[in-house]
Amino acid sequence: AQKITQTQPGMFVQEKEAVTLDCTYDTSDQSYGLFWYKQPSSGEMIFLIYQGSYDEQNATEGRYSLNFQKARKSANLVISASQLGDSAMYFCAMREMEYGNKLVFGAGTILRVKS
Amino acid sequence: DTGVSQNPRHKITKRGQNVTFRCDPISEHNRLYWYRQTLGQGPEFLTYFQNEAQLEKSRLLSDRFSAERPKGSFSTLEIQRTEQGDSAMYLCASSLLGTGENYGYTFGSGTRLTVV
Repeated sequence: AQKITQTQPGMFVQEKEAVTLDCTYDTSDQSYGLFWYKQPSSGEMIFLIYQGSYDEQNATEGRYSLNFQKARKSANLVISASQLGDSAMYFCAMREMEYGNKLVFGAGTILRVKS
Repeated sequence: DTGVSQNPRHKITKRGQNVTFRCDPISEHNRLYWYRQTLGQGPEFLTYFQNEAQLEKSRLLSDRFSAERPKGSFSTLEIQRTEQGDSAMYLCASSLLGTGENYGYTFGSGTRLTVV
């Protein structure tokens, strides 16, 4: 079974609007962390935001926020006020304490911001 | 410290040749990870080190692949007898045990391997 599922292969958003990128996960571990990374065409993986399984509040980092719904096992990324530079591939990833702290990634969503 | 450095950035090799990639992590980071990413997919875990000890290897890491981190600093990933299916981006990441859990892992820019 897939550990991380990103169901949107591609998304378009108008500049200055908000966009939600979906992520669902599967784990039996009680202690885990969820990450979002951005990968521009240049290839580097840029850390955006982190949510711990025990965190009661949704994580926020500037224009990024994570909509964490633990019972539904979803961790959607919300980008507010989209900018042209947000066009990139976005990956959701999970780290499970039980499995050595390595990250497991989803297949990614490519986001295109239109002017 | 300029982050995680990977060399070379690009490598083209003929099938059957051996290749070696190098990763220099952030100096104080004690954990180092190798991932492989094929076109249009997310990175797949290959192996990781804590200091010089290799703690886990994925089943993706066939016997043609070997990784080392001899002094707990830089790491090398060697692929012997390369095959066309080895063509991918090889990413290295590092973290400091105790902080990686909260602040993510720092990735290098990757080595893109093309086997012809």
